[in-house]
Amino acid sequence: QQQVKQSPQSLIVQKGGISIINCAYENTAFDYFPWYQQFPGKGPALLIAIRPDVSEKKEGRFTISFNKSAKQFSLHIMDSQPGDSATYFCAANSGNQFYFGTGTSLTVIP
Amino acid sequence: DVKVTQSSRYLVKRTGEKVFLECVQDMDHENMFWYRQDPGLGLRLIYFSYDVKMKEKGDIPEGYSVSREKKERFSLILESASTNQTSMYLCASSSSGPKLGGGYTFGSGTRLTVV
Repeated sequence: QQQVKQSPQSLIVQKGGISIINCAYENTAFDYFPWYQQFPGKGPALLIAIRPDVSEKKEGRFTISFNKSAKQFSLHIMDSQPGDSATYFCAANSGNQFYFGTGTSLTVIP
Repeated sequence: DVKVTQSSRYLVKRTGEKVFLECVQDMDHENMFWYRQDPGLGLRLIYFSYDVKMKEKGDIPEGYSVSREKKERFSLILESASTNQTSMYLCASSSSGPKLGGGYTFGSGTRLTVV
């Protein structure tokens, strides 16, 4: 059973547009929600993360929006650039483990 | 910079072979993990370890074993490789104890093909 559900599976955005990736979870014990960015041939790298005591976290063009009551969180990439083209994974942490979404392949068209 | 190094980027092995995937981290992290990554399935946890000589099964341990003889090294072993184990294998490490305060650091992955 997928602990974290991620959508869409793939996303194509024009340069300068906003990319939005959504994740949902059921386990209320999750207390840390990171996003990872993976370029081809590389391992995933931590991009941005949020704890459930805040509703939003922004780092540069990347923002996590967190809705605790709905058990949903999303990644927004503002002013998307071709260099943002990558696979993005959301994740949730409980205890010693992270549970990952299935990934979103983002393509930003110049 | 924290580094997680996986010994091979690409491997091709024959069905039935015993395969060793090595992972070394240089930041004295307690926790180490092995995942496999398949299209449409995301990252699935195979095994993890919170200490030397300690191991725990993840979600898909069948056909795999692990070894952690030293804190910095975590090996994944395919006892008898099969074609359905063709995948990208990712090693990760993290610090802290039972409550993870930060994220994982991943290696670059080993793409294993079993023929």
